Amino acid sequence: QQQVKQSPQSLIVQKGGIPIINCAYENTAFDYFPWYQQFPGKGPALLIAIRPDVSEKKEGRFTISFNKSAKQFSLHIMDSQPGDSATYFCAAIVSGGYNKLIFGAGTRLAVHP
Amino acid sequence: KAGVTQTPRYLIKTRGQQVTLSCSPISGHRSVSWYQQTPGQGLQFLFEYFSETQRNKGNFPGRFSGRQFSNSRSEMNVSTLELGDSALYLCASSGGQGMRNEQFFGPGTRLTVL
Repeated sequence: QQQVKQSPQSLIVQKGGIPIINCAYENTAFDYFPWYQQFPGKGPALLIAIRPDVSEKKEGRFTISFNKSAKQFSLHIMDSQPGDSATYFCAAIVSGGYNKLIFGAGTRLAVHP
Repeated sequence: KAGVTQTPRYLIKTRGQQVTLSCSPISGHRSVSWYQQTPGQGLQFLFEYFSETQRNKGNFPGRFSGRQFSNSRSEMNVSTLELGDSALYLCASSGGQGMRNEQFFGPGTRLTVL
């Protein structure tokens, strides 16, 4: 019940395409869902986050869609660029459980020029 | 504001040895969490410290321990190293005003156990 399932494992798109990464969870106590971007040799960087009382959140080219009833959320990257090539992780946390992030397995994204 | 810093960045040890990793959180942040990242298991939570107290712990053996100092800096220690402990160890800080759940990661310490 503590798992967050992420798909796909890897993704290749052309520049300008819209990669979509999906995550699903079981624990309905999760109430904060961040996405992280990680480049090789670096730590994960917080990209965007959403709470379940909101169905969509946009920050720049990054959008999170959230479906509370289906217990699913997804990341869309608009007008993707080669510089977006990285590994993306979704995560979930129970606010009352302090700061224990449960991560998805990660999606390796390659954006070709 | 300076980000989360971790030292050392790289470490090579042999089986049976012990190791101490250090993390300095973002100024003003009082919570420090530690994570282990491996290709097989992904990102896994080790433990969290807040105001010098461990308030959350993941499913790792007792060989993994940590502590936090009064200035919020944290250390984690792994004793009797095993080959499977080879990983990237990440710390994350949080606790800035109005951003209770946002966690900001350091660059990590790459530990190799031979």
